[in-house]
Amino acid sequence: GAVVSQHPSRVICKSGTSVKIECRSLDFQATTMFWYRQFPKQSLMLMATSNEGSKATYEQGVEKDKFLINHASLTLSTLTVTSAHPEDSSFYICSERVPEPDTQYFGPGTRLTVL
Amino acid sequence: GIQVEQSPPDLILQEGANSTLRCNFSDSVNNLQWFHQNPWGQLINLFYIPSGTKQNGRLSATTVATERYSLLYISSSQTTDSGVYFCAVGINTDKLIFGTGTRLQVFP
Repeated sequence: GAVVSQHPSRVICKSGTSVKIECRSLDFQATTMFWYRQFPKQSLMLMATSNEGSKATYEQGVEKDKFLINHASLTLSTLTVTSAHPEDSSFYICSERVPEPDTQYFGPGTRLTVL
Repeated sequence: GIQVEQSPPDLILQEGANSTLRCNFSDSVNNLQWFHQNPWGQLINLFYIPSGTKQNGRLSATTVATERYSLLYISSSQTTDSGVYFCAVGINTDKLIFGTGTRLQVFP
């Protein structure tokens, strides 16, 4: 399967700061990547679909001005949490879409704690 | 939107036991996958199985698309099988909707 990395794996920041999370496809050119959020003991919730070279598509209820997504190359997508607040503390996971069959491969996740 | 329910929500087993995890979905799907999320949070692909039956070692899965459910079988469970098992479905789209998950703990 495809290999996806995320950086950083863990970040602690003060309320009001911005945090950037990188998602890299190490062995595949992914035109489509996805960003998920997972709260403790809950399922994964899709936040947005990131398409290379175009604007991301956000799920209902996800603030696009707060969660900025950039997919400037086939191997890198970034999620920036702007003006983070304690309620943004969560586990953020990216994935890349691999066709034939239509599957997704996931990064190891980034645990964000906002103080 | 589509609802994806998994059962049981929690499962505790002794090493060597067998188990069956169930995934029910409320609408027809053309994509169904099973994942294992290990205790460190990494999701691992288990099966791509929109219909039919597949086996991989001690794991096997069956999806009955007409009846809107899928089953994941784990035989001779090991402590390394611990974690959360998710099914995820897609309908004519590349997006996946994740189920509620089954948390499995295997004790020696």
